[in-house]
Amino acid sequence: GENVEQHPSTLSVQEGDSAVIKCTYSDSASNYFPWYKQELGKRPQLIIDIRSNVGEKKDQRIAVTLNKTAKHFSLHITETQPEDSAVYFCAAREGGADGLTFGKGTHLIIQP
Amino acid sequence: DSGVTQTPKHLITATGQRVTLRCSPRSGDLSVYWYQQSLDQGLQFLIQYYNGEERAKGNILERFSAQQFPDLHSELNLSSLELGDSALYFCASSVGVASGEQYFGPGTRLTVT
Repeated sequence: GENVEQHPSTLSVQEGDSAVIKCTYSDSASNYFPWYKQELGKRPQLIIDIRSNVGEKKDQRIAVTLNKTAKHFSLHITETQPEDSAVYFCAAREGGADGLTFGKGTHLIIQP
Repeated sequence: DSGVTQTPKHLITATGQRVTLRCSPRSGDLSVYWYQQSLDQGLQFLIQYYNGEERAKGNILERFSAQQFPDLHSELNLSSLELGDSALYFCASSVGVASGEQYFGPGTRLTVT
């Protein structure tokens, strides 16, 4: 089955700086890669996703890049704000399945 | 608000007991997924139903079962509960099969004492 590794586990950045979270996946058949943001005690919230036929996708301050050859994808947040503080999860979905395989999460801390 | 609802919000029960968690998907969504979130295992996919039929199984224990009803709501049944079953249980829904976006409900926090 699919295996997703996520780094770093904790990331602290100054407000206004950029943050990058990286994930690798094992199954070359995976074709869908969402990112979720989870605040303490709340549900995971889909913030951006990318499919295997696209190399990059951007939505305002958030962007995701995908390198199929290397089997890794990254989340980029620019101009970070205090409300960006949360745990971020990457996930991958295998081609023939529907359940998502999640990384272990990155706790993003925005320092004022 | 994702449009996915779950009840109850919290559940406290004893070891050996059985509980049922309920989920209503977003209007128009036919697929329901169940996930377990714990500190040691992270977020794990348990099982998926599509339009009333089981579609995919993940790391679901034999003590756990689920079903999806004609009105598309789903229930997750957990039996012979153990301390290690304490976790957040999330339901998610999507429009169809392999259709991408999954939207999560608020979760049910289960505490087994």
